[in-house]
Amino acid sequence: DQQVKQNSPSLSVQEGRISILNCDYTNSMFDYFLWYKKYPAEGPTFLISISSIKDKNEDGRFTVFLNKSAKHLSLHIVPSQPGDSAVYFCAASAGRGETSGSRLTFGEGTQLTVNP
Amino acid sequence: DGGITQSPKYLFRKEGQNVTLSCEQNLNHDAMYWYRQDPGQGLRLIYYSQIVNDFQKGDIAEGYSVSREKKESFPLTVTSAQKNPTAFYLCASSSTPQGMFSNQPQHFGDGTRLSIL
Repeated sequence: DQQVKQNSPSLSVQEGRISILNCDYTNSMFDYFLWYKKYPAEGPTFLISISSIKDKNEDGRFTVFLNKSAKHLSLHIVPSQPGDSAVYFCAASAGRGETSGSRLTFGEGTQLTVNP
Repeated sequence: DGGITQSPKYLFRKEGQNVTLSCEQNLNHDAMYWYRQDPGQGLRLIYYSQIVNDFQKGDIAEGYSVSREKKESFPLTVTSAQKNPTAFYLCASSSTPQGMFSNQPQHFGDGTRLSIL
């Protein structure tokens, strides 16, 4: 049962344009969402997160949008740069008040390629 | 520099052999985690520990064992019972304030790639 799903295995965009990575989830108990970036043979690096009490969170070129009714979140990167080329994972947790709240469920990842 | 160190970077296992992957953190984080990544898949949780001397099974714990004797260390043993151990293993840690909503991102090491000889 894939509770967090990234339906696009890959995405290719031109440098300077917007990259939009999508993620859908099925578990209505998820209330904290994160995006990670991963280069080959390295561990994921935390990018940005959003709590379910918000619908948008922005950090520099990165913005995450959350649509709770659709159980959908997206990561926007503007402007895209060649150094952004990596695999992007979305992750979710259902932890309000629970000691196991830090457990993360990951999507399959989307390979982003930004062409110069 | 604070961070998470995984060793070795590459590890080979013979059939029927147990191997142990090391994970050390100096971030003073309470919680530590082990994930497995297979090609084209997301990270799947093997085991996690919220506090020293305590740990819980994740989604794919069969064939693995862990210990948490020190806050800084969370070694993972891949036993001979794990029939498909070839994968990329990632260790992570996070701070988890007691009694509060655990809204803290996990920080990852650079992984250990395990292969079967």
